[in-house]
Amino acid sequence: AQSVTQLDSQVPVFEEAPVELRCNYSSSVSVYLFWYVQYPNQGLQLLLKYLSGSTLVKGINGFEAEFNKSQTSFHLRKPSVHISDTAEYFCAVSDVANYGGSQGNLIFGKGTKLSVKP
Amino acid sequence: DTGVSQDPRHKITKRGQNVTFRCDPISEHNRLYWYRQTLGQGPEFLTYFQNEAQLEKSRLLSDRFSAERPKGSFSTLEIQRTEQGDSAMYLCASSFLGRLGDEQFFGPGTRLTVL
Repeated sequence: AQSVTQLDSQVPVFEEAPVELRCNYSSSVSVYLFWYVQYPNQGLQLLLKYLSGSTLVKGINGFEAEFNKSQTSFHLRKPSVHISDTAEYFCAVSDVANYGGSQGNLIFGKGTKLSVKP
Repeated sequence: DTGVSQDPRHKITKRGQNVTFRCDPISEHNRLYWYRQTLGQGPEFLTYFQNEAQLEKSRLLSDRFSAERPKGSFSTLEIQRTEQGDSAMYLCASSFLGRLGDEQFFGPGTRLTVL
């Protein structure tokens, strides 16, 4: 994988509103795609991942994402956000190795800070 | 499965000093990764091990940085002659080679402040 672009650095939204966090990647080979969430002063927690199969993947906490190969995108969505969703969200990719695993390192975007207001 | 642990969680040091961080991966995981995260940025890959072999190093890993995983279990990351630019969160992750996607599980990180 070459790069990951998260188009919005900050997304403010009101509680119970829908949200979409955008992610585009560039790569000359097949990739695996991931979304991680990071709460303040904590490590990264996996929200969801696309490995193969259905392009719509569902994750924890009501999040889902859709892989669009032609647009090289993997946007994250939630139909109704909660205050507790306030955090930073990172999109990441890894190249697919011949044996089906990843080539090694993840390439991350710069992150999107989601701020949910009451 | 107790998760990935890192020690210490916070480290404050003076410029020029050496520091060492430790990472304990999930017990059955054979891959271990180190990343660095600076303010406002996503994590950047530093290096990774498969068992005890260091398979890849980023150009970010200058000669002042060294990582080891002597017995294929825990790993240490040492920074010699620290500089203020080394201030960052250092994240460790582990995965099991062979599982589809090699999902990486992250530790809580070590926050380094160089004065």
